[in-house]
Amino acid sequence: DARVTQTPRHKVTEMGQEVTMRCQPILGHNTVFWYRQTMMQGLELLAYFRNRAPLDDSGMPKDRFSAEMPDATLATLKIQPSEPRDSAVYFCASGLASGRRMNEQFFGPGTRLTVL
Amino acid sequence: AQKVTQAQTEISVVEKEDVTLDCVYETRDTTYYLFWYKQPPSGELVFLIRRNSFDEQNEISGRYSWNFQKSTSSFNFTITASQVVDSAVYFCALSEAGSSGSARQLTFGSGTQLTVLP
Repeated sequence: DARVTQTPRHKVTEMGQEVTMRCQPILGHNTVFWYRQTMMQGLELLAYFRNRAPLDDSGMPKDRFSAEMPDATLATLKIQPSEPRDSAVYFCASGLASGRRMNEQFFGPGTRLTVL
Repeated sequence: AQKVTQAQTEISVVEKEDVTLDCVYETRDTTYYLFWYKQPPSGELVFLIRRNSFDEQNEISGRYSWNFQKSTSSFNFTITASQVVDSAVYFCALSEAGSSGSARQLTFGSGTQLTVLP
């Protein structure tokens, strides 16, 4: 049963520290999305990639957030320096850009980040 | 700009009742995709269904059914004979197709918290 995996599942850190979240998309999926979920804002897109190329990162605070796909099996989201307002659940999702199941996005379990 | 509205913040029903979750969307694209996701208390987001804008046929899957009406820009979700395990937050989402016809990001509604009481 193919699934998106994310690590770590939980992260508690102090303000100013660097945080790196990792995502392994479903094998064969060529689109990867990063979403953030908070009580106030709900689910919002941070960035997404197609064939490892970044297509849209307009939802991401550029001064502190960065997203990369070093290879097809790994996507990373980094926050440096972290701030308390970054506390949220960060979801990674993957999908296909073509074919019968195009546009269906499958989500990982999320990383719950708490910045003290 | 695309927008998804789920006006029902919380719904509470007694087990075995039918319940309908409303979703209204806005988009200027003629090709788009609509989705429903379930988020149980454990927190993961579970994909339930995708509909294409050019296919208005309603769909039934077990106790779940979806009513897509372009005329009213709605994509409602009905659970028949609800069960306690259906208790979750349900999100409706919209994805516009880019110029190439392939997917873009999902725009989510604010979600409806469904509680099914025993």
